Amino acid sequence: GNSVTQMEGPVTLSEEAFLTINCTYTATGYPSLFWYVQYPGEGLQLLLKATKADDKGSNKGFEATYRKETTSFHLEKGSVQVSDSAVYFCALTLTGSARQLTFGSGTQLTVLP
Amino acid sequence: NAGVTQTPKFQVLKTGQSMTLQCAQDMNHEYMSWYRQDPGMGLRLIHYSVGAGITDQGEVPNGYNVSRSTTEDFPLRLLSAAPSQTSVYFCASSYGLRASYEQYFGPGTRLTVT
Repeated sequence: GNSVTQMEGPVTLSEEAFLTINCTYTATGYPSLFWYVQYPGEGLQLLLKATKADDKGSNKGFEATYRKETTSFHLEKGSVQVSDSAVYFCALTLTGSARQLTFGSGTQLTVLP
Repeated sequence: NAGVTQTPKFQVLKTGQSMTLQCAQDMNHEYMSWYRQDPGMGLRLIHYSVGAGITDQGEVPNGYNVSRSTTEDFPLRLLSAAPSQTSVYFCASSYGLRASYEQYFGPGTRLTVT
């Protein structure tokens, strides 16, 4: 079946550090890929997405590139801020249906001033 | 817009008790869904609805019931709570079933069953 594997957390960085959160997937076809973010006390929000190979999703300084050859969708940000502290979820859907979204287990990021 | 609201925020139940988790959205979204989030696991789909009067099962539906009598509301019922249902529950809504439509999540309900 389909699955998403994220790097284990928690991840702790200093402000202005470079961030990478790894995400790899297993799917029987060509999925659409998503990153969601969950700020403390809030629900998940869509951060960025990519629907085909080599697409780059970007938002709020975060980027992720859909790499078919390595089945990866790593999240990066060049300079993190304290306000980026949150839990980040990688997700995929193979059918294009929200009913078929498969989520990773989430990575907790803490950014220290 | 209030977005997606969930009540209660926290709940403690004894084994065998029943309760309803409330979810409401004010965005006129057709698609609504319930997920549970357990430590070390991703969100798993419990039930979903593509419109008023239409519901279907997700990945982990056992022990839960849903109904959708209005576009706005999508309550989740625990029929006889079990410790295995201790989890954080999220309700979500979107314009339609396509994953390209952004899903809006509520803040969650943390449920403990003793």
